[in-house]
Amino acid sequence: DQQVKQNSPSLSVQEGRISILNCDYTNSMFDYFLWYKKYPAEGPTFLISISSIKDKNEDGRFTVFLNKSAKHLSLHIVPSQPGDSAVYFCAARGPNSGGSNYKLTFGKGTLLTVNP
Amino acid sequence: EPEVTQTPSHQVTQMGQEVILRCVPISNHLYFYWYRQILGQKVEFLVSFYNNEISEKSEIFDDQFSVERPDGSNFTLKIRSTKLEDSAMYFCASIRREYNEQFFGPGTRLTVL
Repeated sequence: DQQVKQNSPSLSVQEGRISILNCDYTNSMFDYFLWYKKYPAEGPTFLISISSIKDKNEDGRFTVFLNKSAKHLSLHIVPSQPGDSAVYFCAARGPNSGGSNYKLTFGKGTLLTVNP
Repeated sequence: EPEVTQTPSHQVTQMGQEVILRCVPISNHLYFYWYRQILGQKVEFLVSFYNNEISEKSEIFDDQFSVERPDGSNFTLKIRSTKLEDSAMYFCASIRREYNEQFFGPGTRLTVL
């Protein structure tokens, strides 16, 4: 049951260009979406998030776009840098099952490689 | 900057043995989680813990698993009788209610032989 899908297992871009990572979800009850970055042998590191009531959130080189009608979100990194090379996970929060749970449902991740 | 810590970083055990994975969440966080990632697969939710009790658990979190917050700082995951398929990276995470971003620890790699 893949409620959060990242259909591209990998993406390769040139340094300085834009990286666009995509994510689709099926559960309309998700209320918050997050992107995490993960290096090998480390835990996921929070990158950027967006509430379901917004359609865009920007933080420096990172912008997340949300299209609720299409149940689609994307992460844009511009300009891409070699240090951005990592696995990027899309995650969705909820559905809230009783007021005290904020579990995350993750996609399978996309390996981004930024070439110098 | 405060961070979630986990010990050990790598645990090797024999099938059928009990293991305890330890986590120290960020000190003012109220909600605690365990996730796992089997090699090559996605990060999966195991259990959430709030106010000294489990608030939700997944189908993976069967009777062989238990969690505890024994002393107000540590948060532990116990697997009573490990199976080969329990081999995975186990991540602890914590959150403050008014913030939405879960902070993850570096993980414990569990290898069951």
